[in-house]
Amino acid sequence: SQQGEEDPQALSIQEGENATMNCSYKTSINNLQWYRQNSGRGLVHLILIRSNEREKHSGRLRVTLDTSKKSSSLLITASRAADTASYFCATDNAAGNKLTFGGGTRVLVKP
Amino acid sequence: DTAVSQTPKYLVTQMGNDKSIKCEQNLGHDTMYWYKQDSKKFLKIMFSYNNKELIINETVPNRFSPKSPDKAHLNLHINSLELGDSAVYFCASSHYLAVGGETQYFGPGTRLLVL
Repeated sequence: SQQGEEDPQALSIQEGENATMNCSYKTSINNLQWYRQNSGRGLVHLILIRSNEREKHSGRLRVTLDTSKKSSSLLITASRAADTASYFCATDNAAGNKLTFGGGTRVLVKP
Repeated sequence: DTAVSQTPKYLVTQMGNDKSIKCEQNLGHDTMYWYKQDSKKFLKIMFSYNNKELIINETVPNRFSPKSPDKAHLNLHINSLELGDSAVYFCASSHYLAVGGETQYFGPGTRLLVL
């Protein structure tokens, strides 16, 4: 099975609502990153959280990391239609030279 | 200006053909990557190069041969294309991934369809 699995696989919400998605991983990490992919486009980096951090904010994004549970969550507050995309978590390996991506959470924000 | 560019954007070809995808980055990064994204959106690393040297080769069939003529370019040549090679191929670049972590910048992808 893969390092970095997102849950849920798909999420549909109304504009203005919050969207929460989770990522679980199996091996120790140095850091965890979240990326967004709009339909038909490449991935765009959103936020990085290091293994010694528990929470990080960037605009309407809030990321948490629980290394004891090997899990992370991404919260998008006050969602907008433009937030419609797939969101991926990515973890690095011990050497720090490779990212492994999860399967993604597809978020649909309805206007 | 585009940071990471790939050509072509779309590629439709017959089984058994040989094709190449090109990637260029103008970010001054020293590390470049090729990823394959399948129809279920699962993204898997194929290769990474640091300063023109191969550092990661993720058990990719030897029909796939990357080439890095310089730090700003990483091309992917695929021989004897198979139906299962149909996917979206993404190029990415970063500063060398150290323990502190580095952001990767992705190209727009090349959609390959093998008939």
